[in-house]
Amino acid sequence: GAGVSQTPSNKVTEKGKYVELRCDPISGHTALYWYRQSLGQGPEFLIYFQGTGAADDSGLPNDRFFAVRPEGSVSTLKIQRTERGDSAVYLCASSSGLAGSTGELFFGEGSRLTVL
Amino acid sequence: AQSVTQLGSHVSVSEGALVLLRCNYSSSVPPYLFWYVQYPNQGLQLLLKYTSAATLVKGINGFEAEFKKSETSFHLTKPSAHMSDAAEYFCAVSEDSGYSTLTFGKGTMLLVSP
Repeated sequence: GAGVSQTPSNKVTEKGKYVELRCDPISGHTALYWYRQSLGQGPEFLIYFQGTGAADDSGLPNDRFFAVRPEGSVSTLKIQRTERGDSAVYLCASSSGLAGSTGELFFGEGSRLTVL
Repeated sequence: AQSVTQLGSHVSVSEGALVLLRCNYSSSVPPYLFWYVQYPNQGLQLLLKYTSAATLVKGINGFEAEFKKSETSFHLTKPSAHMSDAAEYFCAVSEDSGYSTLTFGKGTMLLVSP
């Protein structure tokens, strides 16, 4: 597609459940990022992929959060044993990842997760 | 470590008035600086970026920002506000160009009244 696509756009789940959020980046973009935006806050970095590997996962809050990108394109963010504090908009972004680029990120519209 | 402070969670202006959204940053290395805009129900969109070329950066929709190293600032301005400028604006900093782990400010909601 032309832009970054995220599904679902909205997800309501119960505390303790497992959730998967999907991101389809811009075709050809090797770099993919996940951010989390809580109410009243700016986006916070979670994890960065270059190709298939997680180059930086320092933003993942704990081991309940995990992300994969098995073929270097689509990525899935997985949250186990969800807690109410996980409620937020989860943003995915991609960039060309080329050395020397100015690093512009292209964002999707986000997946709004509500944990009851 | 890098950080961004945006002064004012909400800024209100009248249509046609000057827009000034403030951003101060902290970075241990020469920074790359960005302004993103988020319209209701849309994804973040890049407005403009500073990458160590000209200190006055022009972006889309008539916005511009000036990098002032001595003040560690990167304020966003527009001479004349339009109703369509109403949105949330985020300032962000990165310490690397090709690998952009952006650190965002909390955002400033711009309200434009007729």
